[in-house]
Amino acid sequence: DAGITQSPRYKITETGRQVTLMCHQTWSHSYMFWYRQDLGHGLRLIYYSAAADITDKGEVSDGYVVSRSKTENFPLTLESATRSQTSVYFCASSGGGTQYFGPGTRLLVL
Amino acid sequence: KQEVTQIPAALSVPEGENLVLNCSFTDSAIYNLQWFRQDPGKGLTSLLLIQSSQREQTSGRLNASLDKSSGRSTLYIAASQPGDSATYLCAVANDYKLSFGAGTTVTVRA
Repeated sequence: DAGITQSPRYKITETGRQVTLMCHQTWSHSYMFWYRQDLGHGLRLIYYSAAADITDKGEVSDGYVVSRSKTENFPLTLESATRSQTSVYFCASSGGGTQYFGPGTRLLVL
Repeated sequence: KQEVTQIPAALSVPEGENLVLNCSFTDSAIYNLQWFRQDPGKGLTSLLLIQSSQREQTSGRLNASLDKSSGRSTLYIAASQPGDSATYLCAVANDYKLSFGAGTTVTVRA
């Protein structure tokens, strides 16, 4: 299906484990983004990418790593998960100035 | 750093009443402004995009205005329906990065 998808939709992990959240878009948009949404903090930008192999940090990038070897994929990795990374993670891509969001991944770190 | 404020935080109206949602931002050097809708437990759906050179944008019952010089945008929803109940988020783009307000949660009573 066309659009932007995220996997997994739900994930439970333990502190210290590495976790990778996947994001895939079918529009060939150049720009892609990762946000986290937390009660009391709203949506905050973690990382963004202007094109394949071009990434840059957002507001809350500590503890996260991204890569973008292909235009359509933008995985987000938590190198060593912490409880403070329990959140809902949204991936987005931008076309014509509009950002389109995926359905989100709910991550619980125990 | 761009700060985005949405007032009120919550709003409850009877069906048929017009809705007025406010958004203010601190840095007027914006690229564009986007209004989103978010249903509980779901992702964000883009409603309207206003480019920095535009004063307003309309889609069906929705109309959004932008006053860049005063750092304000208003979303009007005409003749509200129970299906309009959701959280509405304002997001301001400086370059390609979005800064979000905390949202206005709308309840439309049947």
